[in-house]
Amino acid sequence: SQQGEEDPQALSIQEGENATMNCSYKTSINNLQWYRQNSGRGLVHLILIRSNEREKHSGRLRVTLDTSKKSSSLLITASRAADTASYFCATDGSGGSNYKLTFGKGTLLTVNP
Amino acid sequence: SAVISQKPSRDICQRGTSLTIQCQVDSQVTMMFWYRQQPGQSLTLIATANQGSEATYESGFVIDKFPISRPNLTFSTLTVSNMSPEDSSIYLCSVTAGGFGDEQFFGPGTRLTVL
Repeated sequence: SQQGEEDPQALSIQEGENATMNCSYKTSINNLQWYRQNSGRGLVHLILIRSNEREKHSGRLRVTLDTSKKSSSLLITASRAADTASYFCATDGSGGSNYKLTFGKGTLLTVNP
Repeated sequence: SAVISQKPSRDICQRGTSLTIQCQVDSQVTMMFWYRQQPGQSLTLIATANQGSEATYESGFVIDKFPISRPNLTFSTLTVSNMSPEDSSIYLCSVTAGGFGDEQFFGPGTRLTVL
């Protein structure tokens, strides 16, 4: 079964607003990674958060991880039209497989200018 | 981060033919993986490409359909054999430099359309 599940499936906001996407997973993890994908192209790595970390920042991105709830959130502040993309969370460590990633279904973010 | 290239970037193929996708990394990496992303879907792991030995396939994927080579620490190929329209997908390779919990980086993908 799918390890990660993002919500919402689609999110439409205005430029300058903040966007929050959530990811839930089912089994214990070592790490959780967030990726961006523009129009069916390759995945761009955004951030990795380890299971012993609770929050991480990178530029306009803020990721939180709550292992007790098996959930993570990605916050993009002051969004731009260029942030329009699909965002995926991916977990590893399930079933003892440290490097094999299991992806959520993704959130399609549209930032309107 | 590793710089990863894939060839071809896209292709349109006829049913019953095969296509080999190449993945080249600019540095030696421990782990290389192949993923499939069907239209409108998320990514699914096909196999782990092991250097010098046979690839390790995930449930639902078999070597006869997706033979993989990894002759060295910077290069791998994935062949999609005897293609059908259901194989139309984006195929992506990914790498991790190794070590517990390393970031995994992806290539630009190969968009395959089977007619």
